[in-house]
Amino acid sequence: EPEVTQTPSHQVTQMGQEVILRCVPISNHLYFYWYRQILGQKVEFLVSFYNNEISEKSEIFDDQFSVERPDGSNFTLKIRSTKLEDSAMYFCASRTGHYGYTFGSGTRLTVV
Amino acid sequence: SQQGEEDPQALSIQEGENATMNCSYKTSINNLQWYRQNSGRGLVHLILIRSNEREKHSGRLRVTLDTSKKSSSLLITASRAADTASYFCATDAQGAQKLVFGQGTRLTINP
Repeated sequence: EPEVTQTPSHQVTQMGQEVILRCVPISNHLYFYWYRQILGQKVEFLVSFYNNEISEKSEIFDDQFSVERPDGSNFTLKIRSTKLEDSAMYFCASRTGHYGYTFGSGTRLTVV
Repeated sequence: SQQGEEDPQALSIQEGENATMNCSYKTSINNLQWYRQNSGRGLVHLILIRSNEREKHSGRLRVTLDTSKKSSSLLITASRAADTASYFCATDAQGAQKLVFGQGTRLTINP
């Protein structure tokens, strides 16, 4: 069964550093997402991406965040200057049509 | 807000018993989905129920949807210790292009 692949599974970074979280969505999917889950809390929407542009973003997705689909297969989330409160599990998801969201296994980001 | 809200927040039952978790939401939806998450792990898609469906089964899972009450329930029958996890509902609202997750129910199955 096709999978959404996320790398790395765990990333530790110093506060103020830039991080790039990587995702390989399912190849024929058209919509791409990043979600965040702070430990013990619910899964929160960050951003959706369709047709090579952001289609929607949440209040969390401020100027420190950016997304890119650089080569037609990868989908990346960049945090320019990490803060302690960015520590969370970040999930990538993709879908085609209204059904069939597929989530990756997540990247645990720890900012120290 | 179109968020799903779940109850209970935590549920602890004995192995073999049935577990019922509920989800309420606020807007019209295309579908509602249930996910499972083991502690610190990824989201596993369990079942999707479309707005024109009222009940759906998958193995020991039974999901109901009442669009008039904007609510859904997830029933796990004959629970097992391995069912211990957090369970989230997520709504795919009409006009939206994203899933919105509820707070989740932490289910503990005691052997």
